[in-house]
Amino acid sequence: QVKLLQSGAALVKPGASVKMSCKASGYTFTDYWVSWVKQSHGKSLEWIGEIYPNSGATNFNEKFKGKATLTVDKSTSTAYMELSRLTSEDSAIYYCTRWDSWGQGVMVTVSS
Amino acid sequence: DVVLTQTPVSLLISLGGQASISCRSSQSLVHSNGNTYLHWYLQKPGQSPQLLIYQVSNRFSGIPDRFSGSGSGTDFTLKISRVEPEDLGVYYCLQRTHNPDTFGAGTKLELK
Repeated sequence: QVKLLQSGAALVKPGASVKMSCKASGYTFTDYWVSWVKQSHGKSLEWIGEIYPNSGATNFNEKFKGKATLTVDKSTSTAYMELSRLTSEDSAIYYCTRWDSWGQGVMVTVSS
Repeated sequence: DVVLTQTPVSLLISLGGQASISCRSSQSLVHSNGNTYLHWYLQKPGQSPQLLIYQVSNRFSGIPDRFSGSGSGTDFTLKISRVEPEDLGVYYCLQRTHNPDTFGAGTKLELK
């Protein structure tokens, strides 16, 4: 079955960057867009952007342009998201998703 | 951005009862290709969202027929009949017709 396995929680300092991973299994990785979604504590969901593993094409929510970078490694069926210049506003849970299947989420805490 | 307004914010339902959640869009969700990309998710406590209904009224694999979706244009409804304990959590609508994808603020279903 489709599985998306995300990397572990991260504690990072303000101004730093964090890179998280999403390893796909159970389907042909290059055939489906992978999206990333942010969920701030106790709040709703925000779409960050998406990447098509076959070509590396990306689409972003304007709000996250310059904040998020999306990449893939086709050899390992893994998608990555890097968040830069972190502030307390970036503290949240981040999910990767194929829309019909979701990763377990990565909790990112930005604190000095 | 498209704004999805979900009502009510919370629902207190007895076991075996029926719940109805509304999702109203700030603009029509009919895509130029004729499809309507309005989906429903349930996020159970401590879990990732799970897909219930896609494109207004199609139940995802494994979703019981107690869940049904309807609507068109800007007004959509999710109905849950014969509510069971495993139905508790926060329900979100998501639109993918217009860029960026946007979610409703969520409706919390609790047992009376």
